[in-house]
Amino acid sequence: EIVMTQSPATLSVSPGERATLSCRASQSVSSNLAWYQQKPGQAPRLLIYGASTRATGIPARFSGSGSGTEFTLTISSLQSEDFAVYYCQQYNNWPGAFGQGTKVEIK
Amino acid sequence: EVQLVQSGAEVKKPGESLKISCKGSGYSFTSYWIGWVRQMPGKGLEWMGIIYPGDSDTRYSPSFQGQVTISADKSISTAYLQWSSLKASDTAMYYCARLVTGTMAYFDYWGQGTLVTVSS
Repeated sequence: EIVMTQSPATLSVSPGERATLSCRASQSVSSNLAWYQQKPGQAPRLLIYGASTRATGIPARFSGSGSGTEFTLTISSLQSEDFAVYYCQQYNNWPGAFGQGTKVEIK
Repeated sequence: EVQLVQSGAEVKKPGESLKISCKGSGYSFTSYWIGWVRQMPGKGLEWMGIIYPGDSDTRYSPSFQGQVTISADKSISTAYLQWSSLKASDTAMYYCARLVTGTMAYFDYWGQGTLVTVSS
């Protein structure tokens, strides 16, 4: 099974600053990588699929990049509503695997 | 509007059985795979398994094979996750979600979650 590793576990960022989250796969997943945002008490929400395509309604400040084994989610200017936990998920090999998450907190 | 509505929270004792549900609406329920995802308290997301309601084709993650049963009733657009004998370690939030296409895909719509608490 593919293992997804996210770093850092926690990222402390001030509002308006840029946040960069990393996700690494234990083997190549091509561009079959999605990112989700989860706020406390809520279900996850799809942000990015295909490593870099924003889902419907997702603001342009969210961007994804990478392919193969290394991926990045960038939030260009953090808004108050962006403080949450972010998960990556590969869907290249069965079973689809999630990373352990990165918590973005207010600095 | 696509919606997945899950059944309510459950409190059970170890050894009891349980079946939770996920009702889809706003789209062709039989044309998309539905997946189940576990989130243990304070932890991350785990892919449990998926079902294609059109023909009930079911796939399980190796970690969950034999531990749960996934089923669906297409006549009422509902998918199910069930346990025959719950353990305390089954305490978690369980989400159903729709796979965009095929068996290897991402989830575009999620249910609100069903909290299962197993305690003596």
